[in-house]
Amino acid sequence: QQPVQSPQAVILREGEDAVINCSSSKALYSVHWYRQKHGEAPVFLMILLKGGEQKGHEKISASFNEKKQQSSLYLTASQLSYSGTYFCGTGGSYIPTFGRGTSLIVHP
Amino acid sequence: EAGVTQFPSHSVIEKGQTVTLRCDPISGHDNLYWYRRVMGKEIKFLLHFVKESKQDESGMPNNRFLAERTGGTYSTLKVQPAELEDSGVYFCASSLGVSSPLHFGNGTRLTVT
Repeated sequence: QQPVQSPQAVILREGEDAVINCSSSKALYSVHWYRQKHGEAPVFLMILLKGGEQKGHEKISASFNEKKQQSSLYLTASQLSYSGTYFCGTGGSYIPTFGRGTSLIVHP
Repeated sequence: EAGVTQFPSHSVIEKGQTVTLRCDPISGHDNLYWYRRVMGKEIKFLLHFVKESKQDESGMPNNRFLAERTGGTYSTLKVQPAELEDSGVYFCASSLGVSSPLHFGNGTRLTVT
């Protein structure tokens, strides 16, 4: 069962913040976050392995609520380079299952 | 280090023909995965190799798809005969361990006409 991401799309101005949510109907072992730019390979952002764990990558951070089977990705003071499609991959087992992605567009 | 490489980058074939996609993982990565993304939909898991062994092929659509990983190095995914619904972008990824981050290739865009 693939995770559900929301929103489907976000349009921001440079410097604004955004939150992307990821939820699963199954118990989660791990959550992966990736960003894909058009025509390129998805690139790893971070992986969260424990409930309640939060991680950061530059101005991008994520939280993992194991009990609620949810994860959120926080983008702070967005930059033009943040544009792309963000995928969460959730693992009931070790293999991440990906959702449909959230398209993020950052305008100057 | 060299990343995951996939060949070809694009393939256009007619329904009923055969196509073979190739993936070269990062050297030393025992875990190799195949995924497929149809436009606008999820990145769907197809199968997982550990070295040369298929650990999980639960995502393979049907017996028209055959994946191999000779000697635990590169992998091929053959579609024979191809159908229209097989169109999409096929991604290969590799990782050091089963809980490790996935390193994706740029994908092969397959169009079946």
